[in-house]
Amino acid sequence: AQTVTQSQPEMSVQEAETVTLSCTYDTSESDYYLFWYKQPPSRQMILVIRQEAYKQQNATENRFSVNFQKAAKSFSLKISDSQLGDAAMYFCAYRSPMDSNYQLIWGAGTKLIIKP
Amino acid sequence: NAGVTQTPKFQVLKTGQSMTLQCAQDMNHEYMSWYRQDPGMGLRLIHYSVGAGITDQGEVPNGYNVSRSTTEDFPLRLLSAAPSQTSVYFCASSYSGWSETQYFGPGTRLLVL
Repeated sequence: AQTVTQSQPEMSVQEAETVTLSCTYDTSESDYYLFWYKQPPSRQMILVIRQEAYKQQNATENRFSVNFQKAAKSFSLKISDSQLGDAAMYFCAYRSPMDSNYQLIWGAGTKLIIKP
Repeated sequence: NAGVTQTPKFQVLKTGQSMTLQCAQDMNHEYMSWYRQDPGMGLRLIHYSVGAGITDQGEVPNGYNVSRSTTEDFPLRLLSAAPSQTSVYFCASSYSGWSETQYFGPGTRLLVL
């Protein structure tokens, strides 16, 4: 069974600095999707970025980028120029084409604290 | 577009009571699902639906029922609430297909005493 691991329960960064959140996953499949979701105190789950395993180029969305290492099964999220509004729980998630229920497999999350 | 909406935002139940959590989307998505989020854990799939009239079980279906009579609505029913069902519940929707991004509602926080 696929699993997703986020080894950092909590991270803190100074405002305007860069922070990297780690995510590793376990799968025997060759194609899949990986996602980073942000959950602010409002509890709304917001998509930050997504990556298809077959695409070698790392996905980027403004200040958010990923470092996708397929062989190492690693999918880290880099946040540049951190802002106070980035404070939230961040979840890494995986989805496989072999799951007919389209289920997302989730990590336990990393709490990101932004220091002003 | 309102996106995915959920009601209520917060509910307190006594053990043994029943209730229905409402979920609606206005994006004409075929796929809808319910997840629960417990402290220190990622979300877990309860039930899902790939279209009106079609539902199936996810990872943790026990104690919950669903139905999908329309494309827009996907209610989750707790038949006889138990303290173990204290959680935050999220509804999500997407177009069909494993490559599609799922969009989430704001969540319902449920406390069962």
